[in-house]
Amino acid sequence: EAQVTQNPRYLITVTGKKLTVTCSQNMNHEYMSWYRQDPGLGLRQIYYSMNVEVTDKGDVPEGYKVSRKEKRNFPLILESPSPNQTSLYFCASALGSGINNEQFFGPGTRLTVL
Amino acid sequence: KQEVTQIPAALSVPEGENLVLNCSFTDSAIYNLQWFRQDPGKGLTSLLLIQSSQREQTSGRLNASLDKSSGRSTLYIAASQPGDSATYLCAVYWGGSTLGRLYFGRGTQLTVWP
Repeated sequence: EAQVTQNPRYLITVTGKKLTVTCSQNMNHEYMSWYRQDPGLGLRQIYYSMNVEVTDKGDVPEGYKVSRKEKRNFPLILESPSPNQTSLYFCASALGSGINNEQFFGPGTRLTVL
Repeated sequence: KQEVTQIPAALSVPEGENLVLNCSFTDSAIYNLQWFRQDPGKGLTSLLLIQSSQREQTSGRLNASLDKSSGRSTLYIAASQPGDSATYLCAVYWGGSTLGRLYFGRGTQLTVWP
């Protein structure tokens, strides 16, 4: 089944404890992206990658890191999480970055930073 | 600045009604526009993608239209059902200088009551 998977789905952690949220797709997509969703603010793009070893900042990259060492994986790293990073996170992928880049989303990761 | 607006923020209708959800965007030079459905606490499901050269797309009871010149898209839902209750999001991909960036509206929360 073609899908985007994220792990973990739920995570409660404490301020300053480094964490990684994994994202993997099995559709051989070139494009991958991370978003966060907050009440009243909607979905905002954190980082995106148009191909292996190519990453760029979105609207809200502060406090996050990403890497794209292989096509299928695009982990999101929080080096020193803070409470304002409590949010619902989504990973997405698309075939490419052209006009037909229909995006497919993972199930989400609900992160709480205490 | 690229912005996407969805009106109304919430809509409540009885079962069986035909309804229209609106999405407006700044700058008509888009690559494509995508409509998503999101159930509470869940991920986003892609409904329809309209490329810049297209006027409309249809899937079952859903029809999405695109009018670039006026910066608008509408999602038409025919014969609404309680199972259609969800939040509907539109996202615009402008490409060009913002290649890789996807901009979301804040959504219309739809409730269809029996």
